[in-house]
Amino acid sequence: KQEVTQIPAALSVPEGENLVLNCSFTDSAIYNLQWFRQDPGKGLTSLLLIQSSQREQTSGRLNASLDKSSGRSTLYIAASQPGDSATYLCAVFKAAGNKLTFGGGTRVLVKP
Amino acid sequence: IAGITQAPTSQILAAGRRMTLRCTQDMRHNAMYWYRQDLGLGLRLIHYSNTAGTTGKGEVPDGYSVSRANTDDFPLTLASAVPSQTSVYFCASSSEYGDTQYFGPGTRLTVL
Repeated sequence: KQEVTQIPAALSVPEGENLVLNCSFTDSAIYNLQWFRQDPGKGLTSLLLIQSSQREQTSGRLNASLDKSSGRSTLYIAASQPGDSATYLCAVFKAAGNKLTFGGGTRVLVKP
Repeated sequence: IAGITQAPTSQILAAGRRMTLRCTQDMRHNAMYWYRQDLGLGLRLIHYSNTAGTTGKGEVPDGYSVSRANTDDFPLTLASAVPSQTSVYFCASSSEYGDTQYFGPGTRLTVL
């Protein structure tokens, strides 16, 4: 059974500092890995999708890496802003069962 | 473009009652999904549909049913609600199987 872990569960940084969010998964036979952002009381917003054949994906200040063999992904957010405060979730998609398995999330607070 | 809409936004329901949560997308996506989000348990897949006319069971399907009569709509029905179904329910869609998933705003359901 695929398990996805995100450590730490919460993170607080001063504005301007770079954020590093970690995600690990137990089964390396994944189709892709997706990073989402969730604001309190809201739905999820897709940030990045990395295919299993890719090693990284970039969008603006966001960069996500994927090391499938070691079961790890890292989301980097450069020059953090208070508006980056949210919960960040990673999820791995496995072909069997059309299933996206989510980690528990990392709650980020960027202090002005 | 609205994306994905869900109704109702929130609902308090007596145990034993029947309830249908509605989900509509206007992106002409083939695949649709229902998740529940619970504190400490994260997001879990209830049911999915890869294309109109087909459905599949996710991780926690018991007590729920779905139908996919057309591309746009994917209702989730609780035949006889129980308190353990108190949760926030999210509908999502993706262009094709395995693509980026787009989430609706959620329905907060309380079963008393």
